[in-house]
Amino acid sequence: EAGVAQSPRYKIIEKRQSVAFWCNPISGHATLYWYQQILGQGPKLLIQFQNNGVVDDSQLPKDRFSAERLKGVDSTLKIQPAKLEDSAVYLCASSLTQNTEAFFGQGTRLTVV
Amino acid sequence: AQSVTQPDIHITVSEGASLELRCNYSYGATPYLFWYVQSPGQGLQLLLKYFSGDTLVQGIKGFEAEFKRSQSSFNLRKPSVHWSDAAEYFCAVGANSGTYKYIFGTGTRLKVLA
Repeated sequence: EAGVAQSPRYKIIEKRQSVAFWCNPISGHATLYWYQQILGQGPKLLIQFQNNGVVDDSQLPKDRFSAERLKGVDSTLKIQPAKLEDSAVYLCASSLTQNTEAFFGQGTRLTVV
Repeated sequence: AQSVTQPDIHITVSEGASLELRCNYSYGATPYLFWYVQSPGQGLQLLLKYFSGDTLVQGIKGFEAEFKRSQSSFNLRKPSVHWSDAAEYFCAVGANSGTYKYIFGTGTRLKVLA
C-alpha cells in the first residue's frame, strides 16, 4: 500500500514570496491533516479536512495560509506571502476516519530567507 | 483543554540498556493514545496505539507502552535499546472536542551510546 506522498521535499524561498505544497493521501482515507513542525517542537495542527470539507482550521494563519482539498483526495497548502517564522517542516497526514491512527508523509522542509 | 506533556527533552542511554520515555496527558475522558518516532529528515512513523482494552500495548520494533488512567500517563518502554533507535519520539493524544484531533507533545530526543 502506498503511503502519504508529499512534494516538494525541500523548498527555499525569500520572504514575501509565495509557496505551495502538495499532498496525496493514502487511497480511501477520508481525513487529511496539515501540520507545521518548527525545529525542536512537536507538530502543530494547521488544518484538518474530512473528505473535501474543513473540520478544523482554528490554528491556520488565514491572512497568509490557505489550503484546499479538491474532490476529497489531494490537497495543497499555500503560503502567501511567506515570513521568516514560517520556516518549518510541513507534514501531511491522513487517516481512514477521524478517530483512527494517522499516517504521515515525509514532509516538506521550508526555509524562508 | 487537551494537552500532552513529555517531561524529558533529551535522554541518553547505552546500547543494550532499558528505556522508558514518559508521557502525561490532560483530557476529560479516556483518549486515544499514540507513540510516533521520527528519524532525521523523515516523517512520523506510528510505533503503537491504545484505543481501549488491555492497558499494555505492544508495538513495532520491540516497543511497548502502558496506559495508566490514575496517573494520566502512557509511557513508552523498550527492554534493550539498539543504536538504530536513536531518533525523536512523540506522544500524541486523539481527543474528541467537537471535532476529533491529534495533539502532540514536544518530543523526546533519544541518543544511544555504543
